[in-house]
Amino acid sequence: AQSVTQPDIHITVSEGASLELRCNYSYGATPYLFWYVQSPGQGLQLLLKYFSGDTLVQGIKGFEAEFKRSQSSFNLRKPSVHWSDAAEYFCAVINDYKLSFGAGTTVTVRA
Amino acid sequence: DGGITQSPKYLFRKEGQNVTLSCEQNLNHDAMYWYRQDPGQGLRLIYYSQIVNDFQKGDIAEGYSVSREKKESFPLTVTSAQKNPTAFYLCASSIAPSGVPYEQYFGPGTRLTVT
Repeated sequence: AQSVTQPDIHITVSEGASLELRCNYSYGATPYLFWYVQSPGQGLQLLLKYFSGDTLVQGIKGFEAEFKRSQSSFNLRKPSVHWSDAAEYFCAVINDYKLSFGAGTTVTVRA
Repeated sequence: DGGITQSPKYLFRKEGQNVTLSCEQNLNHDAMYWYRQDPGQGLRLIYYSQIVNDFQKGDIAEGYSVSREKKESFPLTVTSAQKNPTAFYLCASSIAPSGVPYEQYFGPGTRLTVT
């Protein structure tokens, strides 16, 4: 079964700085990958998804992610972080029609 | 507005009591899911249903039960057999899989505290 790993538990970034969150997936056939965001005490919101095709995927809220098969990665990026981007971010992969999630990365934004 | 409703937002129960968490969706999705979230562990799948009157166990089904009598509803019962029920519970739904990938949409969650 495919799985994802998020190596960073917590990242702190200054407002206006760039952000990159790492996600590595296990070997398998073409993975179907997602990034979700969760504000404290809330449900998850889909930021973007990768199914096939272009390796650079654009999402909502100014986020993008790049699929790199050679590195088994699907890293999430944002050029300039806003204070409202403080949240927990989850990478996920489809496994036999079920989603498997990474443990999440908490992002703190400092003024 | 289409979406997923979970109620209540906060739920408190005494140990030994069964409790049922509600999940309703008006997205006309065939598939529905229940996840449990604990700090530092991401989300873990409890049960899922791809069609009415059918459901399958996920990775941590022990101590939980579900029913799927209507397309729009997928209630989760946390039984007294669940050893550590205090957690944040998330319901999700998606278009039924038919050989193509899909995304899941999530409700706002229910925080269950058992003392």
